[in-house]
Amino acid sequence: DAKTTQPTSMDCAEGRAANLPCNHSTISGNEYVYWYRQIHSQGPQYIIHGLKNNETNEMASLIITEDRKSSTLILPHATLRDTAVYYCIVRVNNAGNMLTFGGGTRLMVKP
Amino acid sequence: EAGVAQSPRYKIIEKRQSVAFWCNPISGHATLYWYQQILGQGPKLLIQFQNNGVVDDSQLPKDRFSAERLKGVDSTLKIQPAKLEDSAVYLCASSLGIGTSVRETQYFGPGTRLLVL
Repeated sequence: DAKTTQPTSMDCAEGRAANLPCNHSTISGNEYVYWYRQIHSQGPQYIIHGLKNNETNEMASLIITEDRKSSTLILPHATLRDTAVYYCIVRVNNAGNMLTFGGGTRLMVKP
Repeated sequence: EAGVAQSPRYKIIEKRQSVAFWCNPISGHATLYWYQQILGQGPKLLIQFQNNGVVDDSQLPKDRFSAERLKGVDSTLKIQPAKLEDSAVYLCASSLGIGTSVRETQYFGPGTRLLVL
């Protein structure tokens, strides 16, 4: 699976949009981009995933660049409960389903 | 829908003792995973089951770690004997199966926090 690069930490004001970038310049054509987050003392929580098109669900939006070398997770109205470590993972389906977690981005939402 | 259940939530043991963790996946999920998460790091896959068969155990330290999923539902991860470096959170995850990105999305339990003294 391709490797990803994320900033170590970010701050966001409560109520504002949080934009978390991820670089995956070596992504292959059949690799999906997955985002998980891990709130303190909890297991990772699935947020969203996509292949080429932008995706939106009740939690977030995923914007993937046209060349697929980077993506941005958008939390439209961040709350204090969104404070967590956010992991961007790229993986091929039908490849043992293994998720390879990197260091992630520690997002701190401040009042 | 009930999530992935794990027990115990916390365990403290002395080195060289044995310990076991239990996981009950989401109903209907054929694939089950055990991850180890050391403090400050992302989770690392230890073993993956498809129903009751092992798909990948390449990163499982087999001299001391073992796992089973006898009936294709619940799973147990055991460490015998434990070492200090086994102190970590042990996470269980499950997914519907394989074949599509939706079926392969993994859902995690709360984890078991192990401290080896």
